[in-house]
Amino acid sequence: QKEVEQNSGPLSVPEGAIASLNCTYSDRGSQSFFWYRQYSGKSPELIMFIYSNGDKEDGRFTAQLNKASQYVSLLIRDSQPSDSATYLCAVNAYNFNKFYFGSGTKLNVKP
Amino acid sequence: DADVTQTPRNRITKTGKRIMLECSQTKGHDRMYWYRQDPGLGLRLIYYSFDVKDINKGEISDGYSVSRQAQAKFSLSLESAIPNQTALYFCATSDPGARNTDTQYFGPGTRLTVL
Repeated sequence: QKEVEQNSGPLSVPEGAIASLNCTYSDRGSQSFFWYRQYSGKSPELIMFIYSNGDKEDGRFTAQLNKASQYVSLLIRDSQPSDSATYLCAVNAYNFNKFYFGSGTKLNVKP
Repeated sequence: DADVTQTPRNRITKTGKRIMLECSQTKGHDRMYWYRQDPGLGLRLIYYSFDVKDINKGEISDGYSVSRQAQAKFSLSLESAIPNQTALYFCATSDPGARNTDTQYFGPGTRLTVL
């Protein structure tokens, strides 16, 4: 079992719609949860992180965390073609020794 | 200027050659990392260093070695390159922060091809 699981996609949404990206993790000791965006051939860029149960909003992005279900998601409102990229979920236990990335979900936003 | 830089950006080499990938950072972070990325496998940790005197193996360290020359410099070596080490390599830095989150900040990557 992988430490962090993501659906590889591609997830296709029309421009202006809400894109919902999901991630599950196996280590209940995980404390911090991250979403990165990666354009093809480029390096991952941090979108946001969350460490408390519930929702955290930053502009068009909302991260949602449910530790009981070991589930973290990213919602992108008003999706734009420029949001088309691969989204990586990452989790970290309190000590770094357990910092894992998922394999990513590819998002396509169609004009 | 970029906070995390990697050299070279692209490299093609032959099986058995020794290769060094270099990483420099101006973020002032103590923690540095080397990852490789393969299609469908995501990012996998090769080595990490929490300070100049601290080096740790990651998930896939076999066939690789590292050197932390200074707080700002962390090099990855492939002593005898093999084709399955063809991948995109990323250096990253982090500052643990108040909650020890270790948010990773990545360099631009080095695309390595081993023939």
